[in-house]
This record gives sequence, C-alpha cells and structure tokens, in this order.
Amino acid sequence: DAKTTQPPSMDCAEGRAANLPCNHSTISGNEYVYWYRQIHSQGPQYIIHGLKNNETNEMASLIITEDRKSSTLILPHATLRDTAVYYCIVRVGWGAQKLVFGQGTRLTINP
Amino acid sequence: GAGVSQTPSNKVTEKGKYVELRCDPISGHTALYWYRQSLGQGPEFLIYFQGTGAADDSGLPNDRFFAVRPEGSVSTLKIQRTERGDSAVYLCASSSGLAGVNEQFFGPGTRLTVL
Repeated sequence: DAKTTQPPSMDCAEGRAANLPCNHSTISGNEYVYWYRQIHSQGPQYIIHGLKNNETNEMASLIITEDRKSSTLILPHATLRDTAVYYCIVRVGWGAQKLVFGQGTRLTINP
Repeated sequence: GAGVSQTPSNKVTEKGKYVELRCDPISGHTALYWYRQSLGQGPEFLIYFQGTGAADDSGLPNDRFFAVRPEGSVSTLKIQRTERGDSAVYLCASSSGLAGVNEQFFGPGTRLTVL
C-alpha cells in the first residue's frame, strides 16, 4: 500500500471549514484514498473514500487532485465534536483488507 | 443496530500472565480484524479473519499472540506470558467481507495494562 504524509496537527475555528491535506505521491491506479477519524478514547470511524472523482457525503467532502498524488478532506462547518485524529489511508479498495494507519493529523476545533 | 463490542473494556494483569480479549462483531460480518494501538500512535494491524480462518496474520508480533474465531463470529485474542511492552489498546473491527469497498467498523477497544 502507498505511503501517506499528513501534517501532525492543525487548528480550526468552530463553524469554519476544516481542510486536511494528505500527500500520497506513490499511489497506484487501483488504490483508493480512505479517511478515518478517531475521537479520544474511541475506535476509529470511517468518514469517506474515493478513487479519482471528488466525493461528498453527510460528514465530509473529499477532493482528489487530477494526478491523484494528493487529496484534501473538507469538514464544511466544523464543530467541537470534530476534534479528533484524522487518518488518510491508501489501499486497494476491493474486498476485505487490513488498514495501514500512519500518525494522522490531530485536528483541534477551537470555540 | 448493535455495533462491534469488546470485553473487557479494561484489563490489568501482571507480567507473565495469560490474557484473553473478546470481540463480538456486527452480526453478519464475515471479516474481522484485530489492531493494537500504543499511546500516541496510529492503530497497528495484527490479524484478520475471513469467516473462521485467519486470512492474514502477518501483524502478530511473535508466537505469544494467537487469535481464534471458531464459529466465524466471536473472536478471541490470546496473549501468553504477557510483557510490559504488550500494554496497549487492542481494537477489533469488522466488515461485510463482500466484494467492493469494505468499510471497517471499530469497537471501543480493550485497554490492556501489564504491570
């Protein structure tokens, strides 16, 4: 699975959009970009995934660059409950497979 | 519906003892995963089951660690002769196991402390 690089920490004001970057320059054509988050003392939670098109669901939007070497997770109106560690993971999308977590980005939403 | 549950939520044991950690996956999920997470680190893969069989156990650190899933549902992670370095949060996850993108659903974890 391709390696990802994320900033170790970020801050965002409550109510503003939080934009979390991820670099995955060695991504292969059949690898998807997944995002999970982990709120303190809980297990990780799936957020969104994408292959090459931008994706949106009720939690977030995922913007993937045309060359697929980087992506951005967008939380459009961050709340205090969005404070968590966010993990960007690249892996082959199909079937049941392990997730390889990096260090993630610790996002703090400030009131 | 019910999510992934893990018991116990906390386990304190002494060095050299044997421990068992239990995971109840979401009903109907055929794939089950174990991860462990040390303080300040991301989760680290240990083993994954497809049904009753271990499809990938490449993450088990040594032969003191063993996991079973005899009926393809509940799984038990077993650690023999525990060491202080085994202290971590042990996370279990399950997914449908079907073809296609498989979202993994995680339990709350078992915090293991080896004194």
